[in-house]
Amino acid sequence: GENVEQHPSTLSVQEGDSAVIKCTYSDSASNYFPWYKQELGKRPQLIIDIRSNVGEKKDQRIAVTLNKTAKHFSLHITETQPEDSAVYFCAASYSNTGNQFYFGTGTSLTVIP
Amino acid sequence: GAVVSQHPSWVICKSGTSVKIECRSLDFQATTMFWYRQFPKQSLMLMATSNEGSKATYEQGVEKDKFLINHASLTLSTLTVTSAHPEDSSFYICSARARDRGGYNSPLHFGNGTRLTVT
Repeated sequence: GENVEQHPSTLSVQEGDSAVIKCTYSDSASNYFPWYKQELGKRPQLIIDIRSNVGEKKDQRIAVTLNKTAKHFSLHITETQPEDSAVYFCAASYSNTGNQFYFGTGTSLTVIP
Repeated sequence: GAVVSQHPSWVICKSGTSVKIECRSLDFQATTMFWYRQFPKQSLMLMATSNEGSKATYEQGVEKDKFLINHASLTLSTLTVTSAHPEDSSFYICSARARDRGGYNSPLHFGNGTRLTVT
């Protein structure tokens, strides 16, 4: 099955700086890679996703890059704000019978005002 | 956007009793629903995949007789924790996805989660 690894597990940045979270996956058949933000005690919320037919996607201060050859993808948050503080999870999935989503172990991001 | 409703949001039960958690997709048909368990400061652990009209597929190590999953319709899946023990205390989250489009996966939409405490 798929194995998703995520780094770092914790990340602290100064407000206004950029934050980068990286994930690797093992199954080359994976073709869909969403990122979720989870605030304490709340549900994970989809913040951005990318499919394997593109290498980069951007939405305001958030961007995701995908390197299919190396099997890794990254989340980039620019101009960080205190409200960006949360746990971020990457995931990998593929169009197959299982349709399962495999999550990374999460990154706790703290933005220091 | 797609909304997934999960109830109850929290429940306290006595050891040995059973608890049912409901997961509903409110504005879309969910062919597949997933049930996760989350321990404090840890990632989402997939327990089982629930497909409408068929038996759930359980992950290795998850007891199917203890965690009963029923996906009776395209908008409802239930998880019943039977004969609950204190070690079953956890945060349970369901998620749902709509039908595939163009061969690619659509996003997961999560319920609010259920905090289960077994005394």
